Amino acid sequence: GIQVEQSPPDLILQEGANSTLRCNFSDSVNNLQWFHQNPWGQLINLFYIPSGTKQNGRLSATTVATERYSLLYISSSQTTDSGVYFCAVDTGSARQLTFGSGTQLTVLP
Amino acid sequence: GAGVSQSPSNKVTEKGKDVELRCDPISGHTALYWYRQSLGQGLEFLIYFQGNSAPDKSGLPSDRFSAERTGGSVSTLTIQRTQQEDSAVYLCASSTTGLSETQYFGPGTRLLVL
Repeated sequence: GIQVEQSPPDLILQEGANSTLRCNFSDSVNNLQWFHQNPWGQLINLFYIPSGTKQNGRLSATTVATERYSLLYISSSQTTDSGVYFCAVDTGSARQLTFGSGTQLTVLP
Repeated sequence: GAGVSQSPSNKVTEKGKDVELRCDPISGHTALYWYRQSLGQGLEFLIYFQGNSAPDKSGLPSDRFSAERTGGSVSTLTIQRTQQEDSAVYLCASSTTGLSETQYFGPGTRLLVL
């Protein structure tokens, strides 16, 4: 099946800093989503982005499908951004999301 | 409803007991998924329902796990003869059609098997 790798596994930032999270995948995808899992375990949709670029406030994401990677940008980070960020993909044939192992982000005040 | 809901929020059971976990998807969503997240791990697909089609059970880890979806809405995940390794957070998601659409997740059920 498809492989999804996320980097870095852990990231510690000072409040106000910017960061880039990366997701590499091993096959063509029909669906790519970025999620934020908050400290209470809730998975929150950030972006549905199988290709192209999207922005939502301080967050933006870019997927280069031909090169099989996606990037999540967080600007002016806040302590509430802390948590685990997951990338998940679907090849279309599987009709299920395959998740990466996540990036644990800690934003210090 | 406004979002995916799951019950119970937490469940503690003894090894060997059966448990039932419930998921109410977003109204109008025809696709429903169950995932499992073990401590400190990513999410693992369990089962997928789409409308009235036969479910995709390819992710179920053993025959102790089963799920049904009644009337194309509410789903129940049943774990029989629970084992300690079944301890995890069980997450339900739904989407409009299931064909590469955004999946929306519920808050999960935290299962602890003693």
